[in-house]
Amino acid sequence: GAGVSQSPSNKVTEKGKDVELRCDPISGHTALYWYRQSLGQGLEFLIYFQGNSAPDKSGLPSDRFSAERTGGSVSTLTIQRTQQEDSAVYLCASSPEGGTSGNTIYFGEGSWLTVV
Amino acid sequence: QKEVEQDPGPLSVPEGAIVSLNCTYSNSAFQYFMWYRQYSRKGPELLMYTYSSGNKEDGRFTAQVDKSSKYISLFIRDSQPSDSATYLCAMSGNNFNKFYFGSGTKLNVKP
Repeated sequence: GAGVSQSPSNKVTEKGKDVELRCDPISGHTALYWYRQSLGQGLEFLIYFQGNSAPDKSGLPSDRFSAERTGGSVSTLTIQRTQQEDSAVYLCASSPEGGTSGNTIYFGEGSWLTVV
Repeated sequence: QKEVEQDPGPLSVPEGAIVSLNCTYSNSAFQYFMWYRQYSRKGPELLMYTYSSGNKEDGRFTAQVDKSSKYISLFIRDSQPSDSATYLCAMSGNNFNKFYFGSGTKLNVKP
């Protein structure tokens, strides 16, 4: 597709259950990011993938959070044993490598997670 | 202290007004500066992108960067009700692994 695609767009889950959120970046973009946006808050960096390099996981809030990126394209963010404080919008973004446009990132519409 | 500070607003203006949105930052290594617009229940949309200091104009939008003051601005001329949204500033250094965002300013343009 033309833009960053995320699924599901909305997810309601019970506390303690695991969830998987999927991101399909813009074709040709080698960098992929996950951010979290809580109500009334700014964007919180979670994790960054660039090509075949080891991901920067420095923003993951706990070991319940993990992410992988297969084949340098699609990424999955997994939250295990969800807690109510995990309720937020999870935003995926991608960026082309290098060039003057290499320093901008393009977001998907987000996955709206509610933990009840 | 946060890396990027942004007044959350809300900012309410009449249609046709000039809007000024601002962010300050603390990290002198930031070189790339962006403004995003986010409508309710939508992902952020890139509006403006600037490298280093200076001005950049695109239609009704002008982005300014003053690195000596660590201060960036977005001006919207002839504001329209359709400009009502949350505006997020973002910035990064030469290391592209992390972009730092302000918390966003909510703008309401009244018809």
